[in-house]
Amino acid sequence: GENVEQHPSTLSVQEGDSAVIKCTYSDSASNYFPWYKQELGKGPQLIIDIRSNVGEKKDQRIAVTLNKTAKHFSLHITETQPEDSAVYFCAASKGLNNAGNMLTFGGGTRLMVKP
Amino acid sequence: NAGVTQTPKFQVLKTGQSMTLQCAQDMNHNSMYWYRQDPGMGLRLIYYSASEGTTDKGEVPNGYNVSRLNKREFSLRLESAAPSQTSVYFCASSEALQGRGGRRNEQFFGPGTRLTVL
Repeated sequence: GENVEQHPSTLSVQEGDSAVIKCTYSDSASNYFPWYKQELGKGPQLIIDIRSNVGEKKDQRIAVTLNKTAKHFSLHITETQPEDSAVYFCAASKGLNNAGNMLTFGGGTRLMVKP
Repeated sequence: NAGVTQTPKFQVLKTGQSMTLQCAQDMNHNSMYWYRQDPGMGLRLIYYSASEGTTDKGEVPNGYNVSRLNKREFSLRLESAAPSQTSVYFCASSEALQGRGGRRNEQFFGPGTRLTVL
């Protein structure tokens, strides 16, 4: 089955700096890669996703890049703010075809933005 | 629109006790999922239901059973709780199991149930 590894497990940055979180996946058939943000005491919430037919997607201060050949994808947060502090999870699935939308998650990254 | 709701929020069980975690969604989604979250391991899929009337095992189904009661509700049952089942449990739903583009892939998560088994 799919295996998703995520690094680093913790990341501390100064407010205004950029943060990058990286994930690798094992199953070349995976075609959907969402990123979730989990705030303390809450369930994960989708913040951005990318499909295998594009290499990069941007939404204001967050962007995701995908390298299908190397089987890795990354989350980039620019101009970090204290409210970006949370645990971030990457995930992978074959959700765009009949193989189903079951997500395999990475282990999570705790991001701390210091004011 | 409450989204995905879960009850209870917290629960403490003794080894061998049974309990059912409840989940409901009001988004008219077809597919529902149960995950457990353990430190450093992300979320792992326990069971899922592609549509009303169907359920399938995920990555870690042992020790659990599920029921898709109707389109809105998907419950998770622990028949004989063990300390290894101490975890935070999340229910999620999505429009469909197969995305085929658009927003159908997105999974919406509930707030979680923190379960401790002594």
